[in-house]
Amino acid sequence: GEEVAQTPKHLVRGEGQKAKLYCAPIKGHSYVFWYQQVLKNEFKFLISFQNENVFDETGMPKERFSAKCLPNSPCSLEIQATKLEDSAVYFCASSQSRGTGELFFGEGSRLTVL
Amino acid sequence: AQSVTQLDSQVPVFEEAPVELRCNYSSSVSVYLFWYVQYPNQGLQLLLKYLSGSTLVESINGFEAEFNKSQTSFHLRKPSVHISDTAEYFCAVSVNNQGGKLIFGQGTELSVKP
Repeated sequence: GEEVAQTPKHLVRGEGQKAKLYCAPIKGHSYVFWYQQVLKNEFKFLISFQNENVFDETGMPKERFSAKCLPNSPCSLEIQATKLEDSAVYFCASSQSRGTGELFFGEGSRLTVL
Repeated sequence: AQSVTQLDSQVPVFEEAPVELRCNYSSSVSVYLFWYVQYPNQGLQLLLKYLSGSTLVESINGFEAEFNKSQTSFHLRKPSVHISDTAEYFCAVSVNNQGGKLIFGQGTELSVKP
């Protein structure tokens, strides 16, 4: 498609439950990025992919967060055993070229952990 | 490591007044510089970028930013703001060897009043 599509727009989970978010990058874009935005500011980088391969996962809390980008499927970000502090808006972005950093962002998925 | 500092968290301004949103960065290597805008409940949209060449870059809606290497700054300016410019503005950097990952500043909330 012509834009990054993220689903669901809103997700509510009880503490300890699993949450899974999806992202369809722009067609033809090989690079996918996940960011976490807490409290309307501070975009925290989580992970990036080049096609289905993890490129950079330095921002991922390894013990509960995982992500995948499989061929012919939306990318996914999964949080096992959610905690209150995971409440945030999760943005996916895609890029055609990894060199220039021009990312195209989706509208985000708001996760609320109760 | 790179970092970005946006010196003002909130900037209130009257309609048709000029505005400057400040951004300073820290990096030991060359960077690419970006300004993104986030309207309420939306994702980020690229406003303008500096990759190389002329240090003054412009957007289609009247914003401009100037890359100042000696002062490590990339301040955003507009000579006359509109109500519709009310949004959160994020300055970001990327480094060529980091796969296009963006490092964001904390954001500046521009509030344009009639």
